Amino acid sequence: EAGVVQSPRYKIIEKKQPVAFWCNPISGHNTLYWYLQNLGQGPELLIRYENEEAVDDSQLPKDRFSAERLKGVDSTLKIQPAELGDSAVYLCASSPDRGNTEAFFGQGTRLTVV
Amino acid sequence: AQSVTQLGSHVSVSEGALVLLRCNYSSSVPPYLFWYVQYPNQGLQLLLKYTTGATLVKGINGFEAEFKKSETSFHLTKPSAHMSDAAEYFCAVAKGSQGNLIFGKGTKLSVKP
Repeated sequence: EAGVVQSPRYKIIEKKQPVAFWCNPISGHNTLYWYLQNLGQGPELLIRYENEEAVDDSQLPKDRFSAERLKGVDSTLKIQPAELGDSAVYLCASSPDRGNTEAFFGQGTRLTVV
Repeated sequence: AQSVTQLGSHVSVSEGALVLLRCNYSSSVPPYLFWYVQYPNQGLQLLLKYTTGATLVKGINGFEAEFKKSETSFHLTKPSAHMSDAAEYFCAVAKGSQGNLIFGKGTKLSVKP
């Protein structure tokens, strides 16, 4: 069974530029998460989807961050414009259903803003 | 609100020695507790989880953890460390089966030959 797939693995951009990350969850997993992991820290939830509905986006900085999960499968996370402080690893995870808190993580996208 | 405290950002042990990584949690409801491992440039992999029932939980790679409600702890142990155990370990708590994972800051485990 394929795991959670994220792309790109690494991205370097200049500040004020836009950037997008893509995630393909495990087949059949209805719940999808985006996490932010700063250096030396644990992951922090940005947004949680149940199918195509964003059920928890309270920690998503909506002035510059946006996310979508069309058709309840793949998801994209966008930052526009990027700031130096956005440099971090962006992790995508998925769970089989709402009642299962166990999350399966992708390898992440390491963003460097210069 | 849920929170997790991992004592010690860096733990170093010799190969063959006991591994003990400490985790204390705060939760307003009976918690679900997890340990994840992260190897360099990789995502997180679940080691073990406690939901309900038996308080001693066995996971992959010889790790186990014990849920102690009175101490609000969920420490991770392994009797004998291997070089391949060197990685970063994260403890996480969730508010029951519906809650989001709240992670600690992580403990980096080094294993000396």
